[in-house]
Order: sequence, then structure tokens, then C-alpha cells
Amino acid sequence: GNSVTQMEGPVTLSEEAFLTINCTYTATGYPSLFWYVQYPGEGLQLLLKATKADDKGSNKGFEATYRKETTSFHLEKGSVQVSDSAVYFCALSQNAPGKSTFGDGTTLTVKP
Amino acid sequence: DAGVTQSPTHLIKTRGQQVTLRCSPKSGHDTVSWYQQALGQGPQFIFQYYEEEERQRGNFPDRFSGHQFPNYSSELNVNALLLGDSALYLCASSRSDRAGNTIYFGEGSWLTVV
Repeated sequence: GNSVTQMEGPVTLSEEAFLTINCTYTATGYPSLFWYVQYPGEGLQLLLKATKADDKGSNKGFEATYRKETTSFHLEKGSVQVSDSAVYFCALSQNAPGKSTFGDGTTLTVKP
Repeated sequence: DAGVTQSPTHLIKTRGQQVTLRCSPKSGHDTVSWYQQALGQGPQFIFQYYEEEERQRGNFPDRFSGHQFPNYSSELNVNALLLGDSALYLCASSRSDRAGNTIYFGEGSWLTVV
């Protein structure tokens, strides 16, 4: 079956540091890939997505590139802010709108 | 345009009881999916409703059941509650017309079983 593996957290960075959160997946065919963010006490919000190989999703300074050859979708941001502190989830969706497989999440804390 | 709305936001139930959670999808969405998110974990897919029928199901026992109404809203029912059912229950809605469509989540219902 499908699966998503995220780097284990928590991740603690200083403001303006570079962020990478690794995500790899297992799936047959060509899934769509997503990053979601969950702020404390809230539901999940879509951060960015990519629907085919080599696509780059981007939003709010975050980027991730769909790498079919390495089955990866790593999240990056060049300069993090305190307000980026949240839990980040990598997910995939395949053939079934609305049914997604999620990783276990990576908690990011950014200190001033 | 209202997003996905869920109710109640928090509730406490006793082991063995039954609970019903409700969800209204985003306008224009016809598919509702339910997820269980235990503390410190990612959401796990419970099931999905489309055209008032359960279309797909994850690895959850029959104690978990649901319903979709003609206006696309949905309910999640859990019978014979166990302590392990304590979690955040997320509803997500989407359009059915393409596999890569974005799903939108509600803020969830926090269920505590004591």
C-alpha cells in the first residue's frame, strides 16, 4: 500500500535559518503530493502541492519539488520566521480524490 | 464562502457510549472524507462518502459508521467507545471530478473518552 515517511522531529531553528524537512513516499504510479501545516489547536491547511513529476509547489516562501526518481518531496524555506512554528505533514493522494495518506508530521519550532 | 465546518468542537464521552460528529463541506464540494488524528500522529483515513454512499474505507472497525445527506453534509458515528478512540476527528471535503483535487479540512472535533 501507499506510505509516507517524514524526517523525525522535532526541529528547532533560529529565525532566518534555512529549513529542510525530508519526505519520501511509496506508491505505485504517479500520486499527487502535498504539504499541510497544522498550527496549535487548528485543523490542517494546505501549504503547497505538486501533481506530476518535476513540478515545484510553492507558497509563503516554502517550496517542494516532486522527484519521481528519488520518490521524494522535501519541503524547504530559505529563511524561517517565528510564525512558521507548527507541525508540517507530507501527504499523497492517488486515484481517489479526498483519500490521502499522511506522514506522522514534523514539529518545527523557530526561536527569535 | 464558508469552508468546512464541524461540530461539536470538543466533547467528552464515557467508555461504551456512542457519539455523532457532524460536518458541512465547502461550497461546491460533493465528497466528504473523515480522518482520525491521534495525538502526535498524522491523520488516518476512516472512510469517504460520495453520492450518499460510502465509497472507500480505511482500516477501522465497523463501530465507525457514517452517513451523507443530499446536501452533501455528513455524520460520523462511533459506537461502543473505547479509550483509544480519543482523538481529533477531521472532516475533509473535495470535488470528485479529478484525482489531484485539493482537499480542505475543517478544524476538527476533539473527542475525549473517559
